[in-house]
Amino acid sequence: SAVISQKPSRDICQRGTSLTIQCQVDSQVTMMFWYRQQPGQSLTLIATANQGSEATYESGFVIDKFPISRPNLTFSTLTVSNMSPEDSSIYLCSTSGQGGGGTQYFGPGTRLTVL
Amino acid sequence: AQKITQTQPGMFVQEKEAVTLDCTYDTSDQSYGLFWYKQPSSGEMIFLIYQGSYDEQNATEGRYSLNFQKARKSANLVISASQLGDSAMYFCAMREPFLYQAGTALIFGKGTTLSVSS
Repeated sequence: SAVISQKPSRDICQRGTSLTIQCQVDSQVTMMFWYRQQPGQSLTLIATANQGSEATYESGFVIDKFPISRPNLTFSTLTVSNMSPEDSSIYLCSTSGQGGGGTQYFGPGTRLTVL
Repeated sequence: AQKITQTQPGMFVQEKEAVTLDCTYDTSDQSYGLFWYKQPSSGEMIFLIYQGSYDEQNATEGRYSLNFQKARKSANLVISASQLGDSAMYFCAMREPFLYQAGTALIFGKGTTLSVSS
């Protein structure tokens, strides 16, 4: 399975600021996914990031708020812009590995608190 | 309508007992995948088990097995011989070919919190 790391693991930020989360995979992958998990909730897909093209955002998520970069096949960043307390969540990146059915493997997550 | 339904917000079991976590899904596709993940309090998502829609045998991985009943659209996770370390949130997820614009991502249920006591 792919080994995925994320930085930072957690952060506490002030409202109105931005935070960039980094996701590194130990092998080249086509697709990377960014999910948000609000407190006590399930995971919701923010966007899909393919190398060399614009990210595809799901309903309710926009590029101005969550810009994503995918400069190569092992790395992606997600920025949470102009943060408010409602952005307090765990942000997880994932990618498909060698498991059956395109099993997705997740990074350890970034726990964000916005004050 | 919810795609993935987990009706048990919380489950309690004693060590060494077996426990079943329920999951039903909704899809009109013939080709799909079903997954279970474990999320401890640390927040990481740990892949447990996968079942493909065309797989005739129920998937098993160590102490985990998936009770797949296609006609009923259910994919329950069975954990045998529970351990204290099994205490966590468990999510059922589905992958459909055209669920998302870019395809292949997962949709998750709301999760079930499992508490194992000694």
